[in-house]
Amino acid sequence: AQSVTQLGSHVSVSEGALVLLRCNYSSSVPPYLFWYVQYPNQGLQLLLKYTSAATLVKGINGFEAEFKKSETSFHLTKPSAHMSDAAEYVCAVTGNTGGFKTIFGAGTRLFVKA
Amino acid sequence: NAGVTQTPKFQVLKTGQSMTLQCAQDMNHEYMSWYRQDPGMGLRLIHYSVGAGITDQGEVPNGYNVSRSTTEDFPLRLLSAAPSQTSVYFCASSILRGGIDEQFFGPGTRLTVL
Repeated sequence: AQSVTQLGSHVSVSEGALVLLRCNYSSSVPPYLFWYVQYPNQGLQLLLKYTSAATLVKGINGFEAEFKKSETSFHLTKPSAHMSDAAEYVCAVTGNTGGFKTIFGAGTRLFVKA
Repeated sequence: NAGVTQTPKFQVLKTGQSMTLQCAQDMNHEYMSWYRQDPGMGLRLIHYSVGAGITDQGEVPNGYNVSRSTTEDFPLRLLSAAPSQTSVYFCASSILRGGIDEQFFGPGTRLTVL
């Protein structure tokens, strides 16, 4: 069965610092991988997605993620944090086998300090 | 396009009451789903549908029913509310491209069962 692990339920960075949010997945077939962002009292919005076209994926708001098959990882990064980046970030995986289900990680809340 | 809409935004029920959470999408997506979001647990799939007239159970289906009579609408019914069903409920939709592509989420319904 597929699973998604996000290391760290809370991450705190200073404004201008590097953001690194970790996601590891388990899948026996090449997956589709997603990062979503959730602001308070809102639904999830897509940040970026990997669908095997390129291992380095660029998303909105300056975020990017690199798919590393050997490490089964899809970590999210941003070179310089902004106060507006404070939100919940959720990693998700969807395989092309095993039924029509998306597996979501537990989420990482990002805090940005002035 | 309105995207995915959900009503109501907030609801308080007493134990044993029933209610229907409404969900509609105007993107002609085949796939629709219901999730519940609880602290520290990530999104969990309740039920999903891959087209009108087709529904299936997700990870946590007990106590919930769904139907899909049209492509646009996917209501979630709570049969006899219990305090364990206190949660935030999200509806989502997606196209099917081999597997599930990115999902578009509604704003959520915050349900409290007393």
